[in-house]
Amino acid sequence: AQKVTQAQTEISVVEKEDVTLDCVYETRDTTYYLFWYKQPPSGELVFLIRRNSFDEQNEISGRYSWNFQKSTSSFNFTITASQVVDSAVYFCALSGHNQGGKLIFGQGTELSVKP
Amino acid sequence: SAVISQKPSRDICQRGTSLTIQCQVDSQVTMMFWYRQQPGQSLTLIATANQGSEATYESGFVIDKFPISRPNLTFSTLTVSNMSPEDSSIYLCSARDRDSSTDTQYFGPGTRLTVL
Repeated sequence: AQKVTQAQTEISVVEKEDVTLDCVYETRDTTYYLFWYKQPPSGELVFLIRRNSFDEQNEISGRYSWNFQKSTSSFNFTITASQVVDSAVYFCALSGHNQGGKLIFGQGTELSVKP
Repeated sequence: SAVISQKPSRDICQRGTSLTIQCQVDSQVTMMFWYRQQPGQSLTLIATANQGSEATYESGFVIDKFPISRPNLTFSTLTVSNMSPEDSSIYLCSARDRDSSTDTQYFGPGTRLTVL
């Protein structure tokens, strides 16, 4: 069975603080893909990153960084120097290589960045 | 990356009626999917829209309630049939890149459905 857990339902920070969103996954597939999506209040789902199971290098993109650790089945997302525009619901998702492209989503973390 | 549009963006419907949602991709894609997001919830896959054959439905979703068409590699429709208030959700279409090595799914803007 595949499962994604985002234990943090809501996080509230003040602008310029750093914040980490946790994601823990379960899968029996040896090859799989992990994703993060952002859903602002307007509702659309914005793709942020995809990571293959065989690539554990961390990635940085501007103020965003991702820490993938297979040993702990985690794929955490850090926003540095948060801004009000970062306020959104963030979803972590998993797709097994043999699952036909189906995405399994976590419950989402609602991030509120206050000025 | 694929650009996806959906119509309508939102609708308010009466109980017992049906609504067809359209999804258009700006490039040919191998796979298209339909997800449902109930209020305050995460996304749940309804079905995979297969080009030239019947859709593949997930557990808990049936063709009679959610008929899906996919006539070509850039277009799909989802119909929500005999609606009830419990069908009030955001319905999202997604597409997987034709280059399956990237295995990235992009999403449309969603259709906000309210059933009275």
